[in-house]
Amino acid sequence: NAGVMQNPRHLVRRRGQEARLRCSPMKGHSHVYWYRQLPEEGLKFMVYLQKENIIDESGMPKERFSAEFPKEGPSILRIQQVVRGDSAAYFCASPPQGARTEAFFGQGTRLTVV
Amino acid sequence: GQQLNQSPQSMFIQEGEDVSMNCTSSSIFNTWLWYKQEPGEGPVLLIALYKAGELTSNGRLTAQFGITRKDSFLNISASIPSDVGIYFCAGREGSQGNLIFGKGTKLSVKP
Repeated sequence: NAGVMQNPRHLVRRRGQEARLRCSPMKGHSHVYWYRQLPEEGLKFMVYLQKENIIDESGMPKERFSAEFPKEGPSILRIQQVVRGDSAAYFCASPPQGARTEAFFGQGTRLTVV
Repeated sequence: GQQLNQSPQSMFIQEGEDVSMNCTSSSIFNTWLWYKQEPGEGPVLLIALYKAGELTSNGRLTAQFGITRKDSFLNISASIPSDVGIYFCAGREGSQGNLIFGKGTKLSVKP
């Protein structure tokens, strides 16, 4: 997983605050996937981004969640007005150029809403 | 929507034993992947399968893409303590698009 950097590793927010999660894909990779993992569950797809473009956001909740991947800088997953149910591990994945799999996942950000 | 059933949910085995776990889907997949996740870490890809009937090995791990394209299994031979973790299957329907993950099989190995 070396090369896909996520920060912070742990994030604690009070209900109603905003959470910003960052993902820097492997060098030269221009696509990222975001997944959410609830406790004792598998990963659930949220959004697929290319630089400056959202390719598929079918897994994103309709409200409070947004994602971007600017031309410069990391991809950001933003959760506004967090609620307890947002507590989860959020992973991003960086597919190698030309590959068909999200082979490389970051270490994740564990969000706890108190 | 698509669903993946992964079983067993957990396994407690003795070091040296072989392990088998499987996933079945409600729809046909073109890709099956197996990942391992350790506490506090992201999933690590173990084996990728792209063709029905494909059987692929990675060291002591062997996985197969079912002929019906609706199932896959993962075998681990001669388990060792460092095999402990949660194993996830994941599948994709088309050539593009997101992965659907199973709920995982938690493996515990007793030395």
